[in-house]
Amino acid sequence: ILNVEQSPQSLHVQEGDSTNFTCSFPSSNFYALHWYRWETAKSPEALFVMTLNGDEKKKGRISATLNTKEGYSYLYIKGSQPEDSATYLCAVYDRGSNYKLTFGKGTLLTVNP
Amino acid sequence: NAGVTQTPKFQVLKTGQSMTLQCAQDMNHEYMSWYRQDPGMGLRLIHYSVGAGITDQGEVPNGYNVSRSTTEDFPLRLLSAAPSQTSVYFCASRTGQGLDSPLHFGNGTRLTVT
Repeated sequence: ILNVEQSPQSLHVQEGDSTNFTCSFPSSNFYALHWYRWETAKSPEALFVMTLNGDEKKKGRISATLNTKEGYSYLYIKGSQPEDSATYLCAVYDRGSNYKLTFGKGTLLTVNP
Repeated sequence: NAGVTQTPKFQVLKTGQSMTLQCAQDMNHEYMSWYRQDPGMGLRLIHYSVGAGITDQGEVPNGYNVSRSTTEDFPLRLLSAAPSQTSVYFCASRTGQGLDSPLHFGNGTRLTVT
């Protein structure tokens, strides 16, 4: 089973702060990495799908980078807002996974007004 | 488009009872999957299907059956419910064109087995 680690488990920031969190995965056999946002009482929604080393993706105030050689991805939120409060999930496919997307346990972000 | 629709939203079962969680998608997605979410755990894959007539096991398949007779539907069957199957279940689908397509999730089914 692929080991996908996310850190920190949770964090609290003030409105306006910028923040980032990490997803780590085995670098061998990497194929693709997904980021999802999961708000309470809703279902996960895709933010980014990244495949290439050095990939950078951006959606509004949220951006992500990917380093496949060292096996990590960063998710950045600039100027956090209360509506950014959610669990952020990272998930990885590797070439040996046979269509199985493996999720990390997530980072719970709380943005205080 | 309704997207991915799961029914029921909530269910309470007694140990040993059977039931089927329904999942339907109207996006013509080839790939469909079932995950369970438990406290302190990531989403764990139960079963998945890459097209009608094709299913395979995920990480935690024991106690669950699936079938895929149509592109649209992917029901999950609990043959004899156990308290360990108390969880929130999510159905998710994506296009079959590549592993770089994002998953689209249903709203979940919260199952309690007493």
